[in-house]
Amino acid sequence: DAGVTQSPTHLIKTRGQQVTLRCSPKSGHDTVSWYQQALGQGPQFIFQYYEEEERQRGNFPDRFSGHQFPNYSSELNVNALLLGDSALYLCASSPGAGTGVRGTYNEQFFGPGTRLTVL
Amino acid sequence: AQKITQTQPGMFVQEKEAVTLDCTYDTSDPSYGLFWYKQPSSGEMIFLIYQGSYDQQNATEGRYSLNFQKARKSANLVISASQLGDSAMYFCAMRGRGSTLGRLYFGRGTQLTVWP
Repeated sequence: DAGVTQSPTHLIKTRGQQVTLRCSPKSGHDTVSWYQQALGQGPQFIFQYYEEEERQRGNFPDRFSGHQFPNYSSELNVNALLLGDSALYLCASSPGAGTGVRGTYNEQFFGPGTRLTVL
Repeated sequence: AQKITQTQPGMFVQEKEAVTLDCTYDTSDPSYGLFWYKQPSSGEMIFLIYQGSYDQQNATEGRYSLNFQKARKSANLVISASQLGDSAMYFCAMRGRGSTLGRLYFGRGTQLTVWP
């Protein structure tokens, strides 16, 4: 049973460029969340997708956008890259927005992340 | 809004000893969930343990236990019999409620170093 997968592993871009990151959720999961983790910080929530729609959004500008496909995989797009966008981008999947298959909690399984460097 | 505070930037422990990593939280919701994750240098967040706000007993998962003190709003992680492989960043997180259900709020983390 494959866990959460992300691609690419590493990416180097220059300021002003656009980037697309990809995530495949754990088998049986239909909800995907994206987090940004700057160096030395905890992850910050970007947004969450469920049933191909953005359900929740954190405090991130419109330059950050996403998409979820019918097979539940997801993409994170960042336009007009800034130096401050350099970070580890983590994808997390879970079984249903707000519900859990174990007890009453909603465990989120994380992928290995994509490390984005903006020069 | 939910807030997680981890005041220990770094902790050191000798192999086979126990260590406690501190976490305090702030929320006005009566129902919430608390998580601990381990992040090795590879970057992947590994789920360790969960505590629900209405759970009567402290959560345990193998060598990990959670010292949950609801009145003090603390959820400290205790690692018993530390191993060299436990060296990593540890994050405390809280699950949001209502419209933010499913979203996790993270602290800044504690870097644990286990020495032989």
